[in-house]
Amino acid sequence: LAKTTQPISMDSYEGQEVNITCSHNNIATNDYITWYQQFPSQGPRFIIQGYKTKVTNEVASLFIPADRKSSTLSLPRVSLSDTAVYYCLVGSMIYNQGGKLIFGQGTELSVKP
Amino acid sequence: SAVISQKPSRDICQRGTSLTIQCQVDSQVTMMFWYRQQPGQSLTLIATANQGSEATYESGFVIDKFPISRPNLTFSTLTVSNMSPEDSSIYLCSATQGGGRETQYFGPGTRLLVL
Repeated sequence: LAKTTQPISMDSYEGQEVNITCSHNNIATNDYITWYQQFPSQGPRFIIQGYKTKVTNEVASLFIPADRKSSTLSLPRVSLSDTAVYYCLVGSMIYNQGGKLIFGQGTELSVKP
Repeated sequence: SAVISQKPSRDICQRGTSLTIQCQVDSQVTMMFWYRQQPGQSLTLIATANQGSEATYESGFVIDKFPISRPNLTFSTLTVSNMSPEDSSIYLCSATQGGGRETQYFGPGTRLLVL
């Protein structure tokens, strides 16, 4: 399973765009990149998943360069409620074939007024 | 999507006792998992709960300490046996609905404190 490296913490202000970059140098061909968000006293919540190039949904965008050795989660115009821990995960995600989610350290994002 | 509930939400237990945590999903799911999260730390996968067969444990976790059951497609239990203060943690259940590259949904967790 590919190991991921992301900043331990980040600070931002309301209304700003936040970009969290994750390094995964030994990503395998079949691996997907998935980001989860976790609030205190809650289980993680799926944000976005991608394989290459760019993926966008109503919550975030995910940018993946051609070599796939890194990825960037982009949160547009953050609010105080976006204060949470963000996890980058890399794996096949084919659960019935032994795929599993391995969580790294995560990035603690603090959004200030 | 799948909504996952866990019981109990929290508990305080004495050293040497055992606690069984229940995980209920509101719809049939294919895979179920159990994680542990120490306060302020990331999540660690304990095991995959397999329906009708023995769970698949990750390195460092054994069946005698963390027996798991999964009698059907919507329910699983994790028992923390012969507890010590080091077992104080948050235990989370998760599940996926399909056999493909599915989103994994998480329960709210069970906060366990062992005295």
